[in-house]
Amino acid sequence: GENVEQHPSTLSVQEGDSAVIKCTYSDSASNYFPWYKQELGKGPQLIIDIRSNVGEKKDQRIAVTLNKTAKHFSLHITETQPEDSAVYFCAARRGGSYIPTFGRGTSLIVHP
Amino acid sequence: DTAVSQTPKYLVTQMGNDKSIKCEQNLGHDTMYWYKQDSKKFLKIMFSYNNKELIINETVPNRFSPKSPDKAHLNLHINSLELGDSAVYFCASSQVVAGGVKDTQYFGPGTRLTVL
Repeated sequence: GENVEQHPSTLSVQEGDSAVIKCTYSDSASNYFPWYKQELGKGPQLIIDIRSNVGEKKDQRIAVTLNKTAKHFSLHITETQPEDSAVYFCAARRGGSYIPTFGRGTSLIVHP
Repeated sequence: DTAVSQTPKYLVTQMGNDKSIKCEQNLGHDTMYWYKQDSKKFLKIMFSYNNKELIINETVPNRFSPKSPDKAHLNLHINSLELGDSAVYFCASSQVVAGGVKDTQYFGPGTRLTVL
């Protein structure tokens, strides 16, 4: 089955800095890679996703890159703000499957 | 205009009791899920229903029984609660779009279950 590794488990940055979270996956048939943000006391919410026919996708301060050959994908947050503090999950899902495999999460702390 | 809602938000109960958690989605999705999130934040799939039919049942004790009265609801009933059942339970939903592509999952706010 699919295995998703996520690093780092904790990331502490100063407000205004950039943050990068990296994930690797094992199943070459995976073709959909969502990223979720989970704030304290809430459920995970999709913030950005990418499909395997695209190498990069941006949405304002967040971007995701995908390297299919190396089987890794990354989340980039620029100009971080305290409200970006949360747990971020990457996931990978193979075509035809309902269920993504989640990484173990990264706790991002943005210090004012 | 809540998309995926769960009740209750908090549930505190004694070992051995039976409890239920309700989930409703107003997105018109055809697939619903239950996840368990442990204290280390790991998200583990428990069940998935598509059009009221069970399609995924991971290795979950049979004390856990999901029930889907219609496409918009997926409730979770737990018998004989144990200490290890303490966790946050999330309901989610998704939709199959054109060409059989599975759209992303939308999660509810979670139910924190504490078993004493």
